[in-house]
Amino acid sequence: EDQVTQSPEALRLQEGESSSLNCSYTVSGLRGLFWYRQDPGKGPEFLFTLYSAGEEKEKERLKATLTKKESFLHITAPKPEDSATYLCAVAGNTPLVFGKGTRLSVIA
Amino acid sequence: NAGVTQTPKFHILKIGQSMTLQCTQDMNHNYMYWYRQDPGMGLKLIYYSVGAGITDKGEVPNGYNVSRSTTEDFPLRLELAAPSQTSVYFCASSYTMDSLKYFGPGTRLLVL
Repeated sequence: EDQVTQSPEALRLQEGESSSLNCSYTVSGLRGLFWYRQDPGKGPEFLFTLYSAGEEKEKERLKATLTKKESFLHITAPKPEDSATYLCAVAGNTPLVFGKGTRLSVIA
Repeated sequence: NAGVTQTPKFHILKIGQSMTLQCTQDMNHNYMYWYRQDPGMGLKLIYYSVGAGITDKGEVPNGYNVSRSTTEDFPLRLELAAPSQTSVYFCASSYTMDSLKYFGPGTRLLVL
């Protein structure tokens, strides 16, 4: 059974304080690992897909990396507008399985 | 493109009543999905479809039914609503199973 575990559950950062979110997974036949951003009351917004260990992708202050067992979402010099819940999901032989998310708060 | 649209945005349902949540996409995607999200939890897959006329169960299908008569539409039917079905429901669509980028805005359902 595919499983995704995200840590920490919640993270509070000062503006400019860089950090990382973790996504550990077990999946039979990884077809892709996904990161989404979700704002309160809205649907998930796609950020990245990573397909193989060693792959990295960047978008503004966000950088996602992938190993055979986990993925990290690095946030460099975050701003208050980066506050959101970040969801990780894996695609194996079945549709996406999601983690519970990390709730990020960036304080000015 | 409107992307993925869902109606209604919010609904209050009485225990035992039935209703249909609507989902439409205009991107000609083959794959469509229904997820539910409870507070502090990740998204749980209810049903999905790989094309018109083909549907399959996800992790939490009990109490729900779906149909896919067209590429664009994927309605979710709740029969005999129960308080445990209080949740936020998201519809999504994609070209392939490993390219899910588009979610709808969600339907918040309260069963009392």
